[in-house]
Amino acid sequence: DAGVIQSPRHEVTEMGQEVTLRCKPISGHDYLFWYRQTMMRGLELLIYFNNNVPIDDSGMPEDRFSAKMPNASFSTLKIQPSEPRDSAVYFCASSLTSPGIGDGYTFGSGTRLTVV
Amino acid sequence: AQRVTQPEKLLSVFKGAPVELKCNYSYSGSPELFWYVQYSRQRLQLLLRHISRESIKGFTADLNKGETSFHLKKPFAQEEDSAMYYCAPRLGGTASKLTFGTGTRLQVTL
Repeated sequence: DAGVIQSPRHEVTEMGQEVTLRCKPISGHDYLFWYRQTMMRGLELLIYFNNNVPIDDSGMPEDRFSAKMPNASFSTLKIQPSEPRDSAVYFCASSLTSPGIGDGYTFGSGTRLTVV
Repeated sequence: AQRVTQPEKLLSVFKGAPVELKCNYSYSGSPELFWYVQYSRQRLQLLLRHISRESIKGFTADLNKGETSFHLKKPFAQEEDSAMYYCAPRLGGTASKLTFGTGTRLQVTL
């Protein structure tokens, strides 16, 4: 398995533009998580899915952010309109439904978003 | 409220010196505890988990339920240990949500 795959690796966009980040989880993993990493706040959980259904989106900053998981192998995180304060590294991670004791997450390489 | 605290944003040590990265949690119940590491421009990866009582790359972490702590330790720091370290508790069962601390950047200098 190639692991959790995120695209693009880097995204530079102008304020006000729509941004779409993509994630392919590990096959067989049915939890998927979106995190945002910044220097000030560290890793923040934005939203997570179980069996393609959003379970907890309380970390989504505001209505400009939305996430979907149309099937077990694909998820998107969309920001519309984007703002400079959205600049961060966005990580996707996946996990098993019933993780064995001691099992953690597998993370993607992240998307570095810069909004100018 | 459930919370994890890593009090130090930056920890700078000399090569060969002991390292202790602090992590305190406030959770009801008995969480599983993990340490994740992120080397420069790489993805986060699992370093170790308390349930395994393992030593990875010379690091160990002991769960202290009385102090609700899970500090990460290494007796002799190496340059390649320089990275961001995140403590992450998770409640047991099928709710596998991990909550990360704000992270500590370890800087090992010569």
